[in-house]
Amino acid sequence: AQSVAQPEDQVNVAEGNPLTVKCTYSVSGNPYLFWYVQYPNRGLQFLLKYITGDNLVKGSYGFEAEFNKSKTSFHLKKPSALVSDSALYFCAVRDSNTGKLIFGQGTTLQVKP
Amino acid sequence: DSGVTQTPKHLITATGQRVTLRCSPRSGDLSVYWYQQSLDQGLQFLIQYYNGEERAKGNILERFSAQQFPDLHSELNLSSLELGDSALYFCASSPLGGGLDEQFFGPGTRLTVL
Repeated sequence: AQSVAQPEDQVNVAEGNPLTVKCTYSVSGNPYLFWYVQYPNRGLQFLLKYITGDNLVKGSYGFEAEFNKSKTSFHLKKPSALVSDSALYFCAVRDSNTGKLIFGQGTTLQVKP
Repeated sequence: DSGVTQTPKHLITATGQRVTLRCSPRSGDLSVYWYQQSLDQGLQFLIQYYNGEERAKGNILERFSAQQFPDLHSELNLSSLELGDSALYFCASSPLGGGLDEQFFGPGTRLTVL
């Protein structure tokens, strides 16, 4: 069965510092990995995806993610955090046949001024 | 704005009742997905439709059903509601039904069962 895990319920960083939100995955076959962000009272917004190719994926709002096959990880990163990045972040793996997304439990990112 | 619309935004109802949630996908998207977000279960996939046909089923209760109409909008029907059905219900759409295209999420319908 496919699954993703986000080991941290919350990540706190200071504005201007780099941030990392961790995700590990378990899949049979090739992983199709996604990051989504959810702001309060809003739907999920797509940030980036890894299908194949470069291990460093660039996405929206200055975010990027590093795919590491040997560590089965897909960590979300940003070089300089903004207060407005504070939100709930979800890592997800996609079932390649049906397209359904299997989400991690989510990580709350708090960026303090 | 993702282009996916959901109505209503909020729904408050009583146990035992039945409700219908509506979703209009992005223009041109053939696939619609329904997800439930609750505090204890997190974000869970319920069901997927592709061009009017059921494509995949997840943890959807027998009291719940869905359909996708010829104009591609979808409805999720929840019946014999229980307190535990209170959650945020999201609809998402994608161009096709496979694994490579991202899903675009609507703003959700918040269901409160009293």
